[in-house]
Amino acid sequence: DTAVSQTPKYLVTQMGNDKSIKCEQNLGHDTMYWYKQDSKKFLKIMFSYNNKELIINETVPNRFSPKSPDKAHLNLHINSLELGDSAVYFCASSQEGRRGTQYFGPGTRLTVL
Amino acid sequence: SQQGEEDPQALSIQEGENATMNCSYKTSINNLQWYRQNSGRGLVHLILIRSNEREKHSGRLRVTLDTSKKSSSLLITASRAADTASYFCATALNSGGSNYKLTFGKGTLLTVNP
Repeated sequence: DTAVSQTPKYLVTQMGNDKSIKCEQNLGHDTMYWYKQDSKKFLKIMFSYNNKELIINETVPNRFSPKSPDKAHLNLHINSLELGDSAVYFCASSQEGRRGTQYFGPGTRLTVL
Repeated sequence: SQQGEEDPQALSIQEGENATMNCSYKTSINNLQWYRQNSGRGLVHLILIRSNEREKHSGRLRVTLDTSKKSSSLLITASRAADTASYFCATALNSGGSNYKLTFGKGTLLTVNP
């Protein structure tokens, strides 16, 4: 049983294209997150949603837009992809009362050519 | 801004030895967490220590926290080849209600040689 799943696992695309990454969690958690991990393995939070409401929105270009259709899903849409967007994107979720302990998905490796 | 800084960046030991990784941070925290990341995989939560705790154990893991020095250490005893992974500390700060923001360090790459 996959707790936090992401699709696709790999995404290779051209500069200027628009792409989406999907995330689903079956843990019943209230909060979901998107992180970006760069080539040096530095992991930085991008967004978090709690019950479909945006909670954290770090300094991320407007080309990145999260969408949460329900509390089990948090998708990430990226417009006009740039070379610098190449990274591994991780989705995560957490449950109220667990002091922020997060469960991560397997990651989506995005390569922009 | 980046919160945690792990030290060392890389650590190579023999199976059976102990591995110690350190983490320093800059601002106040509610708790500090350690995660493991195997190559090409997502992060896995290992252990959480609250800001009012000084030491915590879980199996072969021992975590300490010194809030006066803003530092934490993770000790893995009797290491195994399967412990080979990157280890990250993450400081957690409550961002309202039950929401916490985690800020990760750059990680320590641990290699355990059989």
